[in-house]
Amino acid sequence: DAKTTQPTSMDCAEGRAANLPCNHSTISGNEYVYWYRQIHSQGPQYIIHGLKNNETNEMASLIITEDRKSSTLILPHATLRDTAVYYCIVRSVNTGTASKLTFGTGTRLQVTL
Amino acid sequence: NAGVTQTPKFQVLKTGQSMTLQCAQDMNHEYMSWYRQDPGMGLRLIHYSVGAGITDQGEVPNGYNVSRSTTEDFPLRLLSAAPSQTSVYFCASSLDFYTGELFFGEGSRLTVL
Repeated sequence: DAKTTQPTSMDCAEGRAANLPCNHSTISGNEYVYWYRQIHSQGPQYIIHGLKNNETNEMASLIITEDRKSSTLILPHATLRDTAVYYCIVRSVNTGTASKLTFGTGTRLQVTL
Repeated sequence: NAGVTQTPKFQVLKTGQSMTLQCAQDMNHEYMSWYRQDPGMGLRLIHYSVGAGITDQGEVPNGYNVSRSTTEDFPLRLLSAAPSQTSVYFCASSLDFYTGELFFGEGSRLTVL
């Protein structure tokens, strides 16, 4: 699997958009980008995933660059409840091992008043 | 639906004792897995199962045993607990082995004295 690089921590003011970057410069053509988050002491929660097109759901938007070497998770109106560690994961789904996700240390997002 | 249910939530063991962490899901998911999370680290995969009767090792399987006799249940057994197994354990499931959308339990916090 391609290696991902994320900033260790970020701050965001409540009500503003939180933009969380992820670098995955060695991503291959059949690898998806997944985002999860982990609110303190809870189990990780799936947010969104994508291959090459931008994706949006009720939680967030995922913007993947045209060369697919980086992506950005966007929380459009961050609230205090969005304070969490956010994990960017790259995984192939073609080999039938998509569920064996490897979680790094992620980005700790602190949303403040 | 309850989703993924883990028991117990907290457990204290003495070195050498054995115990079983229980995990059950009611979503008819084929894939189930166990992770451990140590302070300041990401989640590490211990064991996983792609269906009833099939299990395999993850990244850190030593000292743990699993079985999958039903689709719903995937218990994790500690054969002889060691202080190095003090951790938070998370069970996760997904519809099948080809999706990266995992559903996690709330975790079981284990302390080995």
